Amino acid sequence: DQQVKQNSPSLSVQEGRISILNCDYTNSMFDYFLWYKKYPAEGPTFLISISSIKDKNEDGRFTVFLNKSAKHLSLHIVPSQPGDSAVYFCAASATDDKIIFGKGTRLHILP
Amino acid sequence: NAGVTQTPKFRILKIGQSMTLQCTQDMNHNYMYWYRQDPGMGLKLIYYSVGAGITDKGEVPNGYNVSRSTTEDFPLRLELAAPSQTSVYFCASSYSSISQANYGYTFGSGTRLTVV
Repeated sequence: DQQVKQNSPSLSVQEGRISILNCDYTNSMFDYFLWYKKYPAEGPTFLISISSIKDKNEDGRFTVFLNKSAKHLSLHIVPSQPGDSAVYFCAASATDDKIIFGKGTRLHILP
Repeated sequence: NAGVTQTPKFRILKIGQSMTLQCTQDMNHNYMYWYRQDPGMGLKLIYYSVGAGITDKGEVPNGYNVSRSTTEDFPLRLELAAPSQTSVYFCASSYSSISQANYGYTFGSGTRLTVV
């Protein structure tokens, strides 16, 4: 049973616009959440994280929002750039436990 | 700083052959992990280790073995390769459970394995 769900396999966004990637989770024990970015033929790289005690974390063009009551988080990229085209993995973990990954969403930034 | 290094990058195995996927990290990380990524299936944990001499099974351990004799190295062994083991394998590491909450894991660049 998937504990971390990314229901959109792919997303296309115009360059300069906002990209919004969504993620749902089922385990209420998760207390921190992460987003990873992956280019072809490379390993995933850490992008941004958020603790369950927060509802927003920002790092430059990237903002993660957490809605605990809905068990939902989202990654906003503003403005979207060509180099943002990649697969984005949502991930979650409980303290002292392993990180669980979603299946990923492929983001295409259109010129 | 090399980070997490995986070798080989690519390998084709015949059914029934064995091989070892190498993983080395130079960040003095205590925790190390092996994942496999199948198309459209995300990352599934095979084995992990919280320190030298300690290993434990993940979600999909069947057909694999690991050892952790040093902090730096965490090799993954396939004894009898099967077509179902065709996948991309990623090794990852983190310093502690606290650091991974803020910085996640550091991943290697992966080994693409095909079993024919």
